[in-house]
Amino acid sequence: NAGVTQTPKFQVLKTGQSMTLQCAQDMNHEYMSWYRQDPGMGLRLIHYSVGAGITDQGEVPNGYNVSRSTTEDFPLRLLSAAPSQTSVYFCASSYSIGGGYTFGSGTRLTVV
Amino acid sequence: AQKITQTQPGMFVQEKEAVTLDCTYDTSDQSYGLFWYKQPSSGEMIFLIYQGSYDEQNATEGRYSLNFQKARKSANLVISASQLGDSAMYFCAMRELNTGTASKLTFGTGTRLQVTL
Repeated sequence: NAGVTQTPKFQVLKTGQSMTLQCAQDMNHEYMSWYRQDPGMGLRLIHYSVGAGITDQGEVPNGYNVSRSTTEDFPLRLLSAAPSQTSVYFCASSYSIGGGYTFGSGTRLTVV
Repeated sequence: AQKITQTQPGMFVQEKEAVTLDCTYDTSDQSYGLFWYKQPSSGEMIFLIYQGSYDEQNATEGRYSLNFQKARKSANLVISASQLGDSAMYFCAMRELNTGTASKLTFGTGTRLQVTL
């Protein structure tokens, strides 16, 4: 049972490049979310999904897109990378409304 | 809107002593869940403990307990018998359980705990 798998673990992008952060879970969880973590600001919600085909914006969605074509996968796309998107990104999933989230190991992204 | 406040940026505790990490929250919902996560220097987020708003007893998980005071809107984490491995960043988080926002886990800014010999 792999839990929540994020790839890549590290990435360096040039300003203006695009890329996709991958997230997959094998626990059949309906709820999935993307967070970014910046020093002194905790974790902030980017986008979330309550099931396949259903996504919505979180607190800081600008510059990011998501889709949820399957229950297992929830990729995060950076459309045109900016230095302000330098951060650690976490994907997380949950099996129910009342349950806690299981987090992936994170992706450390640097935009130069 | 839901909000979590952690007022202690950093805490020190001696090994084998107990420590309390503060967390207050703000919500207009009657049904919500409160969580504590641990983030060691390796970076992963580790779930520690959960308290539901309708739970009458404080949650406990081994050396972790949650001091839930609903009227004060506080959900402090108590770690008993601290160990060197408890040194980490600790985050308080809340999830409103009504259908519209149930997917959103809101985090505080965290408290860095350092356990000393």
